[in-house]
Amino acid sequence: ETGVTQSPTHLIKTRGQQVTLRCSSQSGHNTVSWYQQALGQGPQFIFQYYREEENGRGNFPPRFSGLQFPNYSSELNVNALELDDSALYLCASSRTGLAKETQYFGPGTRLLVL
Amino acid sequence: KQEVTQIPAALSVPEGENLVLNCSFTDSAIYNLQWFRQDPGKGLTSLLLIQSSQREQTSGRLNASLDKSSGRSTLYIAASQPGDSATYLCAVQYSGAGSYQLTFGKGTKLSVIP
Repeated sequence: ETGVTQSPTHLIKTRGQQVTLRCSSQSGHNTVSWYQQALGQGPQFIFQYYREEENGRGNFPPRFSGLQFPNYSSELNVNALELDDSALYLCASSRTGLAKETQYFGPGTRLLVL
Repeated sequence: KQEVTQIPAALSVPEGENLVLNCSFTDSAIYNLQWFRQDPGKGLTSLLLIQSSQREQTSGRLNASLDKSSGRSTLYIAASQPGDSATYLCAVQYSGAGSYQLTFGKGTKLSVIP
């Protein structure tokens, strides 16, 4: 069984640019959540996708957007990058979107905005 | 708004010692609570998940308890080893913004000295 994978592992961008991060969910999982973890902080919920539809969103501006594909992989897009967007971006998948399900996390993408 | 607090922020213990990490949350209307481990620059590994109807869960040298009414959880690590050195994150899952999202504490950084 393949775990959650994310690409790229590291990324450097400049302020104002756009970035796309990718996540492949664990086999058999149809729900993907994205989290942002700033240095020294706990992860913050960005949004969740369930069967290709956004299924809840945290306190992040609209320039953070996402997609989920028919194979349940997902993308996180961030437009007009700001310095504060520098963080570790984590993707988590679960078998369903139900509360009883454990969320399995990928290794993350480290984004640095200069 | 759900808030999760972890005390202490950092802990250093000699190898072999038993230790307790603490987690508190403000809103007791949770579905479950999870403890995660995070190695430097890496993703999250789920250690234990306690459903809201449960009082504790055990896995090997780890034991997690949940007192939902008082908004507290503890993670007990027996006979600590240098390989236990990592940041331990507590997260509660609740229904917010249309999805079962995780709200994390900032973590406790554990160092086990050989």
